[in-house]
Amino acid sequence: GNSVTQMEGPVTLSEEAFLTINCTYTATGYPSLFWYVQYPGEGLQLLLKATKADDKGSNKGFEATYRKETTSFHLEKGSVQVSDSAVYFCALSGYSGAGSYQLTFGKGTKLSVIP
Amino acid sequence: SQTIHQWPATLVQPVGSPLSLECTVEGTSNPNLYWYRQAAGRGLQLLFYSVGIGQISSEVPQNLSASRPQDRQFILSSKKLLLSDSGFYLCAWSLGPGETQYFGPGTRLLVL
Repeated sequence: GNSVTQMEGPVTLSEEAFLTINCTYTATGYPSLFWYVQYPGEGLQLLLKATKADDKGSNKGFEATYRKETTSFHLEKGSVQVSDSAVYFCALSGYSGAGSYQLTFGKGTKLSVIP
Repeated sequence: SQTIHQWPATLVQPVGSPLSLECTVEGTSNPNLYWYRQAAGRGLQLLFYSVGIGQISSEVPQNLSASRPQDRQFILSSKKLLLSDSGFYLCAWSLGPGETQYFGPGTRLLVL
């Protein structure tokens, strides 16, 4: 079946540091890949997505590139801010059998940015 | 633009009591709808999804049920809550299978 593995947290960085959150996946076919962000007490917000190999998703200074050869979709940001403190989820949308497509999530990585 | 609403935002219920959580979507027709649960410190678990009125698929057997009485309304219910039902319940919608899912603000449920 489909699965997503992302780096265990929590991750603590100083403001303006470089961020990488690793994400690898296992899936049949050609899934779409997503990063969602969850701020404390809120629902999930779509951060960025990529639908095919070598696509780069970007938003709010965050980037991730769909790497089919390494089955990865690592999230990066060049300079984090305190307001980026949140939990980040990597996810894939792929065929899950019986004619259905499901969203499979990683377990989430909590990021704390300190001034 | 599309918006998704969930209520209540927070709920505290005793063990054995019934449950009804509501989710509504505005600005789109015939969306695919989803219920997820997020337990403390854990990832998201898909509970139910629906591709149309009256069409519900269950992903995890448990004491919860879902219904879709109208095109843009999705309800999560239980006849008798368990302590293990505590968690953060998220509703989501998409235009179709495999499409991007957009999440509501969530309902935090505490069963005591």
